[in-house]
Amino acid sequence: GAGVSQSPSNKVTEKGKDVELRCDPISGHTALYWYRQSLGQGLEFLIYFQGNSAPDKSGLPSDRFSAERTGGSVSTLTIQRTQQEDSAVYLCASSTLGQGYGYTFGSGTRLTVV
Amino acid sequence: GDSVTQMEGPVTLSEEAFLTINCTYTATGYPSLFWYVQYPGEGLQLLLKATKADDKGSNKGFEATYRKETTSFHLEKGSVQVSDSAVYFCALSGPTGGYQKVTFGTGTKLQVIP
Repeated sequence: GAGVSQSPSNKVTEKGKDVELRCDPISGHTALYWYRQSLGQGLEFLIYFQGNSAPDKSGLPSDRFSAERTGGSVSTLTIQRTQQEDSAVYLCASSTLGQGYGYTFGSGTRLTVV
Repeated sequence: GDSVTQMEGPVTLSEEAFLTINCTYTATGYPSLFWYVQYPGEGLQLLLKATKADDKGSNKGFEATYRKETTSFHLEKGSVQVSDSAVYFCALSGPTGGYQKVTFGTGTKLQVIP
């Protein structure tokens, strides 16, 4: 597609429920990234994909967080047993591999755990 | 590991004032450097970039020069407008992560008043 698409744009969930966040990157972009932006905080790296594999998942906060990417395209970030501290904006970005290529970000999913 | 330090905000300026937002970095080798901007209610956008020492990135009247000797990439604009009000993020991608992972600063909020 023309840009990075994320869905849903907003999600309110009850504590303890599971949520799935979706990212559809720009067609042809082989690298895909997930970041988290909490209120008043910077961007926290979560995980990145190169194709369907995840060379770096060091930023996932706990084993409640997981992500997958299929067909070198769409990615899903899953948060199990959500907690209030999971409330944040989850950002997805994609890029072409190589030094100096910036990211193209999606508009994010605002997750609120109540 | 790689890191980015940028001046804390908020920065409040009058229209047509000169803007400088300081950014310094720590990285091995020769990272690529970026400035991203997040306008109110919008996603992050790449503003400008520089991939080697002494390069100057520029866009929309903003400039930043890659200074290897001072490990800096300060953002400047000669005359700000109200429409420049946004949060600005300095970022880098370095050889440590194969240039595939971007590390962001915490962001500097700029408010321009008429």
